[in-house]
Amino acid sequence: GDSVTQMEGPVTLSEEAFLTINCTYTATGYPSLFWYVQYPGEGLQLLLKATKADDKGSNKGFEATYRKETTSFHLEKGSVQVSDSAVYFCALSPSNAGGTSYGKLTFGQGTILTVHP
Amino acid sequence: SAVISQKPSRDICQRGTSLTIQCQVDSQVTMMFWYRQQPGQSLTLIATANQGSEATYESGFVIDKFPISRPNLTFSTLTVSNMSPEDSSIYLCSVEEYGLIGTDTQYFGPGTRLTVL
Repeated sequence: GDSVTQMEGPVTLSEEAFLTINCTYTATGYPSLFWYVQYPGEGLQLLLKATKADDKGSNKGFEATYRKETTSFHLEKGSVQVSDSAVYFCALSPSNAGGTSYGKLTFGQGTILTVHP
Repeated sequence: SAVISQKPSRDICQRGTSLTIQCQVDSQVTMMFWYRQQPGQSLTLIATANQGSEATYESGFVIDKFPISRPNLTFSTLTVSNMSPEDSSIYLCSVEEYGLIGTDTQYFGPGTRLTVL
């Protein structure tokens, strides 16, 4: 079945450092890929998404590129801020060849990011 | 994106009792989902709820334990029955929004934090 594997956490960085959180997946067909973020005490928010190979999702300075050849969707940010401290989840949903996703999200285990001033 | 609310936001319950969680969306949606996030863990799909049909449960989840109602296109409930401390989790509902082809996305409610004593 489908699965998502994220890099082990927690990740601790100083403000303005470069961030990479690795995510790899196993899925059949053409999954859509997502990064969700959960700030302390809050619900899950969509950060960015990509629906086909070589697509780049971006939002709030974060980026991730859908790499089908390496089955990866690594999250990056050039300069993190204290306000980026949160738990980050990589996820996938199955899609058809046209890119229309349907139903169930499969999540990675989450990566805790702490950014110090 | 759809605005999703959940009630209650948190509750502390005694073992053996049941709790019904409500999920309200500000627009009509076809597919609604219920997830569980156990402490320090990732999200796991409990079931998919489509209006007018029985909910579809994932492996490891059964209707007797987690009955779901979906009376219309903007509302759903999840009941956690005969609770035990192992049911202590955050329960989240989500909806799938259909945009342009390739942009279908799930959005999440704020979650219900349940503690069972």
